[in-house]
Amino acid sequence: AQSVTQPDIHITVSEGASLELRCNYSYGATPYLFWYVQSPGQGLQLLLKYFSGDTLVQGIKGFEAEFKRSQSSFNLRKPSVHWSDAAEYFCAVLHGSSNTGKLIFGQGTTLQVKP
Amino acid sequence: DAGVTQSPTHLIKTRGQQVTLRCSPKSGHDTVSWYQQALGQGPQFIFQYYEEEERQRGNFPDRFSGHQFPNYSSELNVNALLLGDSALYLCASSWGDRGQPQHFGDGTRLSIL
Repeated sequence: AQSVTQPDIHITVSEGASLELRCNYSYGATPYLFWYVQSPGQGLQLLLKYFSGDTLVQGIKGFEAEFKRSQSSFNLRKPSVHWSDAAEYFCAVLHGSSNTGKLIFGQGTTLQVKP
Repeated sequence: DAGVTQSPTHLIKTRGQQVTLRCSPKSGHDTVSWYQQALGQGPQFIFQYYEEEERQRGNFPDRFSGHQFPNYSSELNVNALLLGDSALYLCASSWGDRGQPQHFGDGTRLSIL
């Protein structure tokens, strides 16, 4: 069955430090992968997506992610974290062969930023 | 350009009652998906509507039903509410070919007493 695993439930980094959030997926075909961010009391905002092509994708707010098929991973990175990055981060894979496949989400990683 | 809008923002109900949540998709989007997000969890897919029909359904009981209108807006109905239905209900809209990202609203927080 298709699934997404985010091994780290909670991560704390200092402001200005680099960040990597891990995501592993299980999907039979070529995956369409996404990272979303959720601030408290808010909906989900799309950070970036991978469909095909270049395995390093750039997103908003200075985030990037690298697709590694051999490791079934799609880790999110940021070189220098800002206090405003504190939020919940979700990795998701699109399941389905037509538009509007459903998104399968990981459990999420809570990012705390220390001043 | 308005994004996905959901109403109401918060709702409190008691067990056994029925509730209707509403969603207006982003302009130009024709597909609406609903997700349930329990506290501390990732969103879980409930169902998806396209051309006023339910196209896909997740692992949710028949107490959960929906509707899509000709203007692409959508409703989520839940009957015979249980305490476990307390969650954030998210609506997402999309359009076009596979992989077009789904855009989410801010959700409706449903609390069951």
